[in-house]
Amino acid sequence: GENVEQHPSTLSVQEGDSAVIKCTYSDSASNYFPWYKQELGKGPQLIIDIRSNVGEKKDQRIAVTLNKTAKHFSLHITETQPEDSAVYFCAVHFGNEKLTFGTGTRLTIIP
Amino acid sequence: DSGVTQTPKHLITATGQRVTLRCSPRSGDLSVYWYQQSLDQGLQFLIQYYNGEERAKGNILERFSAQQFPDLHSELNLSSLELGDSALYFCASSVDRRAGNTIYFGEGSWLTVV
Repeated sequence: GENVEQHPSTLSVQEGDSAVIKCTYSDSASNYFPWYKQELGKGPQLIIDIRSNVGEKKDQRIAVTLNKTAKHFSLHITETQPEDSAVYFCAVHFGNEKLTFGTGTRLTIIP
Repeated sequence: DSGVTQTPKHLITATGQRVTLRCSPRSGDLSVYWYQQSLDQGLQFLIQYYNGEERAKGNILERFSAQQFPDLHSELNLSSLELGDSALYFCASSVDRRAGNTIYFGEGSWLTVV
């Protein structure tokens, strides 16, 4: 089936520290792995994505790593800031056209 | 601003009623997706349309239906509403139906059933 597991469900980090969120998926044929950030009362916003032909992608303080063999990918946020507080969702395209989402991680940055 | 427009932003209605949620995709996008997000829940896929045709169905109740019109806007119809239908309903769009295309989300329609 199309399963995406996301951990942890909640994460609190001190401002300036790093945060890591991990997702595992069930289908090795998957080839597209985006991460979305959802702020309170708003829609999910794409923050970074990675395709199966690369192992890592970085955009300023945000990076995503992909391990296709182990079927997991992770979001790394460095030098966290208060505005990084939000719910983060990983998602997977299982070869079809829709995204299947993880259950979300509520990230809280402690000033 | 993602470019995906949803109306209404908020809606309160009584059990047993019917509502219609409207979505205008990003300019040029042919695929429209509907997702449901209940309180503290993840995003559950409901249904997808591509250029007017239904492409995929997820966990959509029989009381719910959707369509995509020739101008590519989409409507999600929710009928015989129950308290448990209270949720945030998101529309999203992408340029075509290939896997791996970026999917952009609207701001959602908050539905409260009382």
